Amino acid sequence: DAKTTQPPSMDCAEGRAANLPCNHSTISGNEYVYWYRQIHSQGPQYIIHGLKNNETNEMASLIITEDRKSSTLILPHATLRDTAVYYCIVNAGNNRKLIWGLGTSLAVNP
Amino acid sequence: NAGVMQNPRHLVRRRGQEARLRCSPMKGHSHVYWYRQLPEEGLKFMVYLQKENIIDESGMPKERFSAEFPKEGPSILRIQQVVRGDSAAYFCASSPQGVGYGYTFGSGTRLTVV
Repeated sequence: DAKTTQPPSMDCAEGRAANLPCNHSTISGNEYVYWYRQIHSQGPQYIIHGLKNNETNEMASLIITEDRKSSTLILPHATLRDTAVYYCIVNAGNNRKLIWGLGTSLAVNP
Repeated sequence: NAGVMQNPRHLVRRRGQEARLRCSPMKGHSHVYWYRQLPEEGLKFMVYLQKENIIDESGMPKERFSAEFPKEGPSILRIQQVVRGDSAAYFCASSPQGVGYGYTFGSGTRLTVV
């Protein structure tokens, strides 16, 4: 079973920030938090990952709470093309299988 | 730098036939993973391979399914004697050696069994 809990769906207005929450209260000390998204049955796309510190790249920001039991993915200026299912996964680094939940279906509205 | 290449994109097989799905990882990636996705469901892990080795096949059905990643050439997921329940999207991902990298996924193969 997936070790994360996400809301099944969210809406966001185009141009606004989309904040996607994820709970991972049983995360272990050596587990990273990964975010992927899947746009309409395409192959999943890696977004960002982090261990303890907040991370930012050209796609998004990842905010991890100090106790590491939850995190938030932030898309700073959502566009219609960001409409997708977003998956939060905890995993002890690379070279291991990923356990996928059902993710959050984000709808960006014009 | 090409991404993960999967072919074919769509595959139709009659019940009882064999399906062969191919995956070429990104250049420099030595680890390959196969996942299956049924309609309206999340991805399910099937198998994790390195060159010439199966590392974890805990998600593979015990019968009819096999996977390989030879020294030369793409990784192959083979499904023998397909049944309608095998109809799904099959995704391949690759990663480099090491900790903390994200996977790169291919576009998937949509298998339809008629």
